[in-house]
Amino acid sequence: EMQLVESGGGLVQPGRSLRLSCAASGFTFDDYAMHWVRQAPGKGLEWVSRISWNSAGIDYADSVKGRFTISRDNAKNSLYLQMNSLRPEDTAFYYCAKDIGEGGAVAGTDYWGHGTLVTVSS
Amino acid sequence: SSELTQDPAVSVALGQTVRITCQGDSLRRFYASWYQQKPGQAPVLVIYGKSNRPSGIPDRFSGSSSGNKASLTITGAQAEDAADYYCNSRDSNGNRLVFGGGTKLTVL
Repeated sequence: EMQLVESGGGLVQPGRSLRLSCAASGFTFDDYAMHWVRQAPGKGLEWVSRISWNSAGIDYADSVKGRFTISRDNAKNSLYLQMNSLRPEDTAFYYCAKDIGEGGAVAGTDYWGHGTLVTVSS
Repeated sequence: SSELTQDPAVSVALGQTVRITCQGDSLRRFYASWYQQKPGQAPVLVIYGKSNRPSGIPDRFSGSSSGNKASLTITGAQAEDAADYYCNSRDSNGNRLVFGGGTKLTVL
C-alpha cells in the first residue's frame, strides 16, 4: 500500500527555522517527482515546491522562494522541506504529495500524506 | 497568467448532475486535475488527464475541457460527494503547479 507520512511540524517563532520530513513507502520512490503543498487553516490549497526524481529539477512558489529548500534522499525514500525565516503567513498544514508521473500535458499529484501542522507565532 | 479560477460554492440536488468549472490560461496547454477534500482529511485525486479516474473513484465522476476552461462533472450526485473540490494544473511556464481557489459542493 502506498503511504506518505509527514513529520517535523510544530510551533515555531517568526524568523526561526523548521525542517519537515516525508517518509514514502509502497512505490518506487526514485521513479517520481515529489511535491509539498500547504493549506492554511480554513483556506485553500497552495502548491509550495517540487523536486524531480533525481533532484535535477527544483521549483518553488514565489511566496517561499529564497526561504525554503526542498530536497530528497532516494536511498532513504524520504523527502524534506527546510523552512527558514518563517513568517506567520507560513502557518499551515504541509502535505507531501507524489507526482502523477505521466508528464506532458498531465499535471498533478495522485497520493498525499495526512499532513503536518506548522504554526508560526510568537 | 498562472491563476486558476473556480466558483466558491455550488449546490446540487441528490441524484442530479452538477458541473464544477475551473478557468485559466494554462488550461489551453495543460490538463486539469481535480481533487476532493472532506473536512479534516487530505485531498484525494478524482480526475486527471483527459478524463482519467484513479482506482476506486466512482464512474459518476468525469472530466472535460475546452479552451481555457476545465470541468468536473458528477452525474447522479450522492450525499458523500459533499466536499471541497480543487482543480490544479501547471502554470503558464509549465514548471510549477497552481491550484484553483476551491469550490464547496453542497448536496441538497
